[in-house]
Amino acid sequence: DADVTQTPRNRITKTGKRIMLECSQTKGHDRMYWYRQDPGLGLRLIYYSFDVKDINKGEISDGYSVSRQAQAKFSLSLESAIPNQTALYFCATSDYHLAGEVDTQYFGPGTRLTVL
Amino acid sequence: SQQGEEDPQALSIQEGENATMNCSYKTSINNLQWYRQNSGRGLVHLILIRSNEREKHSGRLRVTLDTSKKSSSLLITASRAADTASYFCATDLNYGQNFVFGPGTRLSVLP
Repeated sequence: DADVTQTPRNRITKTGKRIMLECSQTKGHDRMYWYRQDPGLGLRLIYYSFDVKDINKGEISDGYSVSRQAQAKFSLSLESAIPNQTALYFCATSDYHLAGEVDTQYFGPGTRLTVL
Repeated sequence: SQQGEEDPQALSIQEGENATMNCSYKTSINNLQWYRQNSGRGLVHLILIRSNEREKHSGRLRVTLDTSKKSSSLLITASRAADTASYFCATDLNYGQNFVFGPGTRLSVLP
C-alpha cells in the first residue's frame, strides 16, 4: 500500500551494528505497529503506538526500541543487531473511529533485514 | 502456542475449485480478520467479521465465525491462479490493542 512506506526495503548488516528502520504513512492514522515475520511463524508484534505520546511493548520487544517522531512517522531500532533478528519487518497503521468500532490494519511493503 | 492457527498449512487446488481455510483461536475476541500476502510483500486486508456476526461475504470470499468453537473459516470460491498467496487470520483481542496473527495457510492455485 503506497500510503505506508518503509525504508530501506532491504538491508544487510553485521552483528553488533545499530540499525534503524523507518516507516511513514499518509493515511492520517493515529495507530502504528511494528511486526516481524519469520518463515512459518506468521507475524509477531514488536511495538505499537496509539499516538505520539503512547508507546507500548508487544510480544517480542526485547532487543528493539522505537520512536514515534510524529503522527506519520514510527521508527524501529535495533541497538546491537544479532543474527536471529534476521527477518522481514512490517510497519502497519490503523484507525480507531468510535468506541467498539475497529478499523483494519494497512501494511507497508516490508523491510528484509539480514544480520550476518 | 499461538492464539490463532490456520489449517491447513498448505493447500494446492486447481483453478475453478473452491478453497477453504480454517482458523482456530484460544481466547475471546472482538473481531477476526483475514489477510492475504503475496510472496515477500505486505499483508492486505480481505475481510473482517465481528464477534456478534456469524457469516460475511465479500465478492468470492465467504467468512464464517463460530465463537462457541473459537473457529473461523475462509472460503474462496471459483479460485484463480491470481489467488495464489498466503492467507492469515488475525484476532483482535482488545479493540486494536492486541492483534494476533496465525502462521498462515499457503494456497497454490494451479492453472
